[in-house]
Amino acid sequence: GENVEQHPSTLSVQEGDSAVIKCTYSDSASNYFPWYKQELGKRPQLIIDIRSNVGEKKDQRIAVTLNKTAKHFSLHITETQPEDSAVYFCAASRGEGSNYKLTFGKGTLLTVNP
Amino acid sequence: ETGVTQSPTHLIKTRGQQVTLRCSSQSGHNTVSWYQQALGQGPQFIFQYYREEENGRGNFPPRFSGLQFPNYSSELNVNALELDDSALYLCASSLLGVQETQYFGPGTRLLVL
Repeated sequence: GENVEQHPSTLSVQEGDSAVIKCTYSDSASNYFPWYKQELGKRPQLIIDIRSNVGEKKDQRIAVTLNKTAKHFSLHITETQPEDSAVYFCAASRGEGSNYKLTFGKGTLLTVNP
Repeated sequence: ETGVTQSPTHLIKTRGQQVTLRCSSQSGHNTVSWYQQALGQGPQFIFQYYREEENGRGNFPPRFSGLQFPNYSSELNVNALELDDSALYLCASSLLGVQETQYFGPGTRLLVL
């Protein structure tokens, strides 16, 4: 089955700096890659996702890149703010024709210091 | 906030007991997936329900079972509770066949003593 590795497990940055979180996946049939943000005691919230027919997607300060050949994808947050502090999870799933089961990485605790 | 709701929010049980957790999907969604999130870990897929049938299962024993109702709400049942079942149980709703995006509920935190 699919295996998703996520690095780093913790990341501390100064406000205004950029943060990058990287994930690799094992199943070459995976073609949907969402990122979730989970604040303490709250639900995972989708912040951005990318499909395999796209190499990069951006939404304001957040961007995701995908390299299908190398089977890795990354989350980039620019101009970080204290409210970006949370645990971030990457995930992968096969798309159409499957049940879209999500396989998650173990998470990255991002701390943005004011 | 998503329209996905779960009940109860917290639950304490003892080993060997049984528990039922409930999930109401977002309006217009036909699929509910259940995940177990242990402390400090990413969510792990338990199973998914689509059109009242199980549509895929993760690596969980048969004592984890579920139901989906005609209104697309769902239940997760766990029998013979073990200490390791202590976790946050999340449900996620989606519209299978249209888009794969899954929206999570707030979760039920289960503690087994």
